[in-house]
Amino acid sequence: GQNIDQPTEMTATEGAIVQINCTYQTSGFNGLFWYQQHAGEAPTFLSYNVLDGLEEKGRFSSFLSRSKGYSYLLLKELQMKDSASYLCAVPKAAGNKLTFGGGTRVLVKP
Amino acid sequence: DTEVTQTPKHLVMGMTNKKSLKCEQHMGHRAMYWYKQKAKKPPELMFVYSYEKLSINESVPSRFSPECPNSSLLNLHLHALQPEDSALYLCASSQEAGGITGELFFGEGSRLTVL
Repeated sequence: GQNIDQPTEMTATEGAIVQINCTYQTSGFNGLFWYQQHAGEAPTFLSYNVLDGLEEKGRFSSFLSRSKGYSYLLLKELQMKDSASYLCAVPKAAGNKLTFGGGTRVLVKP
Repeated sequence: DTEVTQTPKHLVMGMTNKKSLKCEQHMGHRAMYWYKQKAKKPPELMFVYSYEKLSINESVPSRFSPECPNSSLLNLHLHALQPEDSALYLCASSQEAGGITGELFFGEGSRLTVL
């Protein structure tokens, strides 16, 4: 099976940096996704890591360590609009089953 | 066109009603999904269709009946639902059907309330 853990909530100040950690256990690894979901809206894709290392995309970066079963999403220069839930997701090695972690609600304060 | 369109956006139904949720994508994606999401919880996978065939059913009660009429359309037929089935139902699609190697595109969701 798959087990994905991430913190429930984080609070940060506008302009600051926040790091959202995700640990996972999966039988067979097929990459790791990060999605952003604003309240009442659909999840939107942020990043997909399949190799170890850091991938940077503007203010958002995602890191993966396959040997440690660990990823993080780094949000820099936080803006109020970044207040949302951030979902870590891991697909099963075979088939189209994408399982989401519980999500981390990030609240950005002025 | 990179959109997944879901209708209706909101649906209120009684426990004896029969209704359907509809989903459409025109990206040529080969896999389509139904997820259920309760408030402050992550999306939970219900069904996956690959090449218009049901490939995954996550032990969903039979009061939910999926249908994939063609490669662009996905329906979820609802009958004899319970109040605890009230949730946001999300449709998604992905390019590959043999395994997820790219992003899922989600629709805006259909918010269902069962009275």
